[in-house]
Amino acid sequence: GAGVSQSPSNKVTEKGKDVELRCDPISGHTALYWYRQSLGQGLEFLIYFQGNSAPDKSGLPSDRFSAERTGGSVSTLTIQRTQQEDSAVYLCASSRPPNTGELFFGEGSRLTVL
Amino acid sequence: SQQGEEDPQALSIQEGENATMNCSYKTSINNLQWYRQNSGRGLVHLILIRSNEREKHSGRLRVTLDTSKKSSSLLITASRAADTASYFCATVNSGNTPLVFGKGTRLSVIA
Repeated sequence: GAGVSQSPSNKVTEKGKDVELRCDPISGHTALYWYRQSLGQGLEFLIYFQGNSAPDKSGLPSDRFSAERTGGSVSTLTIQRTQQEDSAVYLCASSRPPNTGELFFGEGSRLTVL
Repeated sequence: SQQGEEDPQALSIQEGENATMNCSYKTSINNLQWYRQNSGRGLVHLILIRSNEREKHSGRLRVTLDTSKKSSSLLITASRAADTASYFCATVNSGNTPLVFGKGTRLSVIA
């Protein structure tokens, strides 16, 4: 597509439920990034994919968080047993090689855990 | 962990004035980038400056980089109400590493 697409744009869930957030990067972009932004805060790095592999998972806050990427394209971020502190906007970005240039961001998925 | 720290956290100016935002970082970088965010949603890339560059211009934007002081500044000239947004600096430490973002400067331009 023309830009990075994320879905859902808004998700309200109950504490303890699992959620899946999807990111469809720009075609041909080999690198894909997930960030999290709490209200009024900066961006917190979660995980980064180069192709289908994740060289850097250092930002995942707990083992309730996981992500995968298939076919070098779509990525899914899964949060199991959601907690209220997981409420945030989850931003996905992609970049073309050599991956030291600009990131193209999606509009984000706003997650609210009640 | 945060690499870049923007200063000030918030800035309010009149339309037509210039806005200057600063960013400091801690480690050696490959490049530094500035992004803009409206209403807490997606970020838009504004400008990238490489570690061997000192100044770069793009329209009403001027970015400087001082690697000896590990700092950068973003100047928006002749500001407009539409420039109201949050501005973030982000650094790339080496190839194929994720950008590390600061907490941003919230700019309000009053018409």
